[in-house]
Amino acid sequence: GQQLNQSPQSMFIQEGEDVSMNCTSSSIFNTWLWYKQEPGEGPVLLIALYKAGELTSNGRLTAQFGITRKDSFLNISASIPSDVGIYFCAGQDVGYSTLTFGKGTMLLVSP
Amino acid sequence: EAGVAQSPRYKIIEKRQSVAFWCNPISGHATLYWYQQILGQGPKLLIQFQNNGVVDDSQLPKDRFSAERLKGVDSTLKIQPAKLEDSAVYLCASSLNRGTGTQYFGPGTRLLVL
Repeated sequence: GQQLNQSPQSMFIQEGEDVSMNCTSSSIFNTWLWYKQEPGEGPVLLIALYKAGELTSNGRLTAQFGITRKDSFLNISASIPSDVGIYFCAGQDVGYSTLTFGKGTMLLVSP
Repeated sequence: EAGVAQSPRYKIIEKRQSVAFWCNPISGHATLYWYQQILGQGPKLLIQFQNNGVVDDSQLPKDRFSAERLKGVDSTLKIQPAKLEDSAVYLCASSLNRGTGTQYFGPGTRLLVL
C-alpha cells in the first residue's frame, strides 16, 4: 500500500522560532492535507492543497504541494505555546478515494 | 454548525468482550469514515460509507469488526470479540461527498482492552 514518510518525528523549540516539517510519498497524490491533533481530540484540518506547486497560507502556517506531487511541506512561523500538538500530513490519491496519513510530527514549544 | 459527535469518549473492556461505538456526522454529509489510530501512528481507515452503502471496507478485520449506517446518517462500529491489539482511538469523520479531501473528525473514542 501507499506509505507516507513524515519528518521529523518530533521537535522541541523555543517560542518565536520558525518550524518546518515535510512529507514524502512513494506515489502521486491528487490532494495534500495538513491536520493538527491535540491531546484527547480528533485531527483538525489546517490547510488543503489541490494543485501541484500550490503554496497556501493560513495565518502563520504555510504549506506547499510539491511539483512532483509526491511531497508537501508545512511551515509555522513565529511559534507560540498553543502550536503544541501533533501535525499530520495526509494524501488523497488520483482515484479520489481514501486518505493516507503520515505518522505525525509532535511539536513542543517552550515559552 | 455542530461537528461530528462520538460516544462514548472512553471505554475499558476485557479481552473477548464486545464493544460498540456511535457516530453522528455533520448534518448533510453523505460520506462517513471510521478510522483506527494506534498510539504513535496516524489514523488508518477501517471503513467508508456513502449514504448507507459501504464504499471501502478493505482494511476492516471482518472476522471481529462490523459497522453499519442503516439510515444514511448515524453509524455504529462494533468489535466482537475484542483483542488486546484493538486498544486504540477510534475516530469517526464525515465529508460532504466522496472526492473531497475535507474530512471533519470527531473527538474519538479511546478504547483500552485489558
